[in-house]
Amino acid sequence: GAVVSQHPSRVICKSGTSVKIECRSLDFQATTMFWYRQFPKQSLMLMATSNEGSKATYEQGVEKDKFLINHASLTLSTLTVTSAHPEDSSFYICSARGGTGTFGSGTRLTVV
Amino acid sequence: GEDVEQSLFLSVREGDSSVINCTYTDSSSTYLYWYKQEPGAGLQLLTYIFSNMDMKQDQRLTVLLNKKDKHLSLRIADTQTGDSAIYFCAEKEDNQGGKLIFGQGTELSVKP
Repeated sequence: GAVVSQHPSRVICKSGTSVKIECRSLDFQATTMFWYRQFPKQSLMLMATSNEGSKATYEQGVEKDKFLINHASLTLSTLTVTSAHPEDSSFYICSARGGTGTFGSGTRLTVV
Repeated sequence: GEDVEQSLFLSVREGDSSVINCTYTDSSSTYLYWYKQEPGAGLQLLTYIFSNMDMKQDQRLTVLLNKKDKHLSLRIADTQTGDSAIYFCAEKEDNQGGKLIFGQGTELSVKP
């Protein structure tokens, strides 16, 4: 079946640095990928829709300059958290194939 | 905006049936989904139901949909300790680019 690979699975970074998270579709082409954020004990909130070859579409309240999305190929989307702060600590999950799944395994970001 | 609500916790004994409930507000949703999330992992699509169906059964899983009351439930028969996880219901907003709206998640605890 369709597999989405996401890494790193866990990252700890210092405040002010940037972190890149990768989301790859392993056996299918994904023209569209979705990036979600999940706070502890809470649901998933869609941050943005990543479109291959064009600009990402951000949800209301999500800062596009802080959460940079690049979808340069049909199998790879990246999310870069720029100038990270402790409040950016969260679980980030990507998905592909119509947004109904398949989901990556998530990235636990901790900013210290 | 559109909203999906779930109870936060459910505890059952091994071998019993579990019923996880969900209510939603978007009457135009075409598909409704159930996902399972194990600790620190991404989401696994368990099952889905088309909005013109009342019930769908897949092995130990039974989904019931009451479209009039906008109520969705997931029944897990013969619950096992391996079923312990967080379960999310989600609706697909047909008029919003097909993005998924998730409930808060129900944490299912299965006691031996």
